Amino acid sequence: DTGVSQDPRHKITKRGQNVTFRCDPISEHNRLYWYRQTLGQGPEFLTYFQNEAQLEKSRLLSDRFSAERPKGSFSTLEIQRTEQGDSAMYLCASSYGQSPEAFFGQGTRLTVV
Amino acid sequence: KQEVTQIPAALSVPEGENLVLNCSFTDSAIYNLQWFRQDPGKGLTSLLLIQSSQREQTSGRLNASLDKSSGRSTLYIAASQPGDSATYLCAVDSGGGADGLTFGKGTHLIIQP
Repeated sequence: DTGVSQDPRHKITKRGQNVTFRCDPISEHNRLYWYRQTLGQGPEFLTYFQNEAQLEKSRLLSDRFSAERPKGSFSTLEIQRTEQGDSAMYLCASSYGQSPEAFFGQGTRLTVV
Repeated sequence: KQEVTQIPAALSVPEGENLVLNCSFTDSAIYNLQWFRQDPGKGLTSLLLIQSSQREQTSGRLNASLDKSSGRSTLYIAASQPGDSATYLCAVDSGGGADGLTFGKGTHLIIQP
């Protein structure tokens, strides 16, 4: 299966620690998105990459959050000095420029204790 | 700012019934609307995408309609099955992909055997 892959699936960390998540999009998909979803809510947009360029960031993406997509392939999302409010499901999605349909990964469930 | 509302928030029906899920959005200037399915603790599975110029899309027992001028979409599920139990999310693309998707909170659907 060549769908969107996210790693790890689950992460438990202590408050104040840094965490990093990885997303491998569908091959040749040039658009990559990160979303955050809390319990009972729909996903909320965090950031958007077109190839290696980060073109859009939501105001939800505080300065503790940073995302990269070196070489326009996989992407990483790092959260520094985690807080309990960061506990959520972090979802990655990809799409191809000429087709708007977004394909999502299985997500990374973060729990900050 | 685009806002998406889904009604009802939860729905429980006996197996075999036909049902309708509703989605409304505040800004009619959209590029497309997408319906997703999400199983507990999982990522999102794309069900149907309707371009702004289209009125409906069909896939198997699913039919989605779009009335852009009134800011409404419906997802019709025919002959419901227990395997259809999941949360159904509606999302709109208002920025041509650059701002990601704006999601509703979803409709939690339970199909009773």
